[in-house]
Amino acid sequence: AAGVIQSPRHLIKEKRETATLKCYPIPRHDTVYWYQQGPGQDPQFLISFYEKMQSDKGSIPDRFSAQQFSDYHSELNMSSLELGDSALYFCASSSLLGPGGEQYFGPGTRLTVT
Amino acid sequence: KQEVTQIPAALSVPEGENLVLNCSFTDSAIYNLQWFRQDPGKGLTSLLLIQSSQREQTSGRLNASLDKSSGRSTLYIAASQPGDSATYLCAGDSGGGADGLTFGKGTHLIIQP
Repeated sequence: AAGVIQSPRHLIKEKRETATLKCYPIPRHDTVYWYQQGPGQDPQFLISFYEKMQSDKGSIPDRFSAQQFSDYHSELNMSSLELGDSALYFCASSSLLGPGGEQYFGPGTRLTVT
Repeated sequence: KQEVTQIPAALSVPEGENLVLNCSFTDSAIYNLQWFRQDPGKGLTSLLLIQSSQREQTSGRLNASLDKSSGRSTLYIAASQPGDSATYLCAGDSGGGADGLTFGKGTHLIIQP
């Protein structure tokens, strides 16, 4: 079965640079979520989109922005990177039209800021 | 704001034992409750989803229950195996569509061969 695809899987950036993470949801899923998991921490919800509209907002820094495109893929844009942004970034998708709304997670993008 | 607590933080048991992982949440308006497994440095694998109208779900050797009135969920693992060693996370949302999940800090489980 198709899963959530994230790219790149690993990314190394320097402080003050920008980064763009991409997420391709499971086919026919209409909702995308972004989470950040710092070293030894639990995942923290950043933001979600339903049918290309922002739906819920968590602890996303103002330096970050995200959007969902017409093909339902999503991108997380991160600017003015800081050392503390080094983390595993997960994308998840779900279908709000189907039963459950279970969230399925991608393998994550490991971002290292030096 | 939903807060999720998991007890114990770590657990080490011999292979073959049955065990229970606990999860408590502060907001009884929780909608979906999901249990995940995470191996070191890896992604999150969804194990079980309990929807608001449900009280439990079963998958193989796993059984999860949800008691909204007491704000608790438990994950029961039967006949544990070394391959079950991982961190187990519970997470809940408050409904309303595309709400993000609030995670507990997880239980680090080690099954001794």
